[in-house]
Amino acid sequence: AQKVTQAQTEISVVEKEDVTLDCVYETRDTTYYLFWYKQPPSGELVFLIRRNSFDEQNEISGRYSWNFQKSTSSFNFTITASQVVDSAVYFCALSEGAGANNLFFGTGTRLTVIP
Amino acid sequence: GAGVSQSPSNKVTEKGKDVELRCDPISGHTALYWYRQRLGQGLEFLIYFQGNSAPDKSGLPSDRFSAERTGESVSTLTIQRTQQEDSAVYLCASSWDRGIPNTEAFFGQGTRLTVV
Repeated sequence: AQKVTQAQTEISVVEKEDVTLDCVYETRDTTYYLFWYKQPPSGELVFLIRRNSFDEQNEISGRYSWNFQKSTSSFNFTITASQVVDSAVYFCALSEGAGANNLFFGTGTRLTVIP
Repeated sequence: GAGVSQSPSNKVTEKGKDVELRCDPISGHTALYWYRQRLGQGLEFLIYFQGNSAPDKSGLPSDRFSAERTGESVSTLTIQRTQQEDSAVYLCASSWDRGIPNTEAFFGQGTRLTVV
């Protein structure tokens, strides 16, 4: 079974619109970490955020915000006032356990921001 | 350099040949990871190195795949007798500490492998 599901394969928005990228995860561990990465056309993944399972506070960083809800096993990512430079593939990922070595990635959501 | 460096950036090889992919981590990073990304897919964990500890090879898909790393320096991923299913982008990442949960990983730009 998929540990991380990103149901939205592709999203297109017009510049300045808000957009939310969904991420649903599955784990039996009580300690786990959730991540979002951005993969621009250059191919290099860029770390955006890490959140541990004990911290459900939502986080805002500039135009980016994240909504972590354990009750629905979701860790959604919202970009407000989207810009063309936001166009990329966004990956949600899960790391299980306190000493886990690897990340389970979702299949990614390709976001296209149309000028 | 400042980031994780991978070489070559692109590699085309004939089916059955061996290939070697190289990763130069960020200086001082003790942890190093290899991932595979097939077209349109997420990243698939292959192997993890942490300092001089035994590597976590649980993600290697077959015995045709192997990886080496000496200390905290360069790593090479070797694929023997390549198959067309091995075609993918191979991404390397490094991080400071014990692993991804404790700190963010920095990724290279990947090596695009095409097996014809």
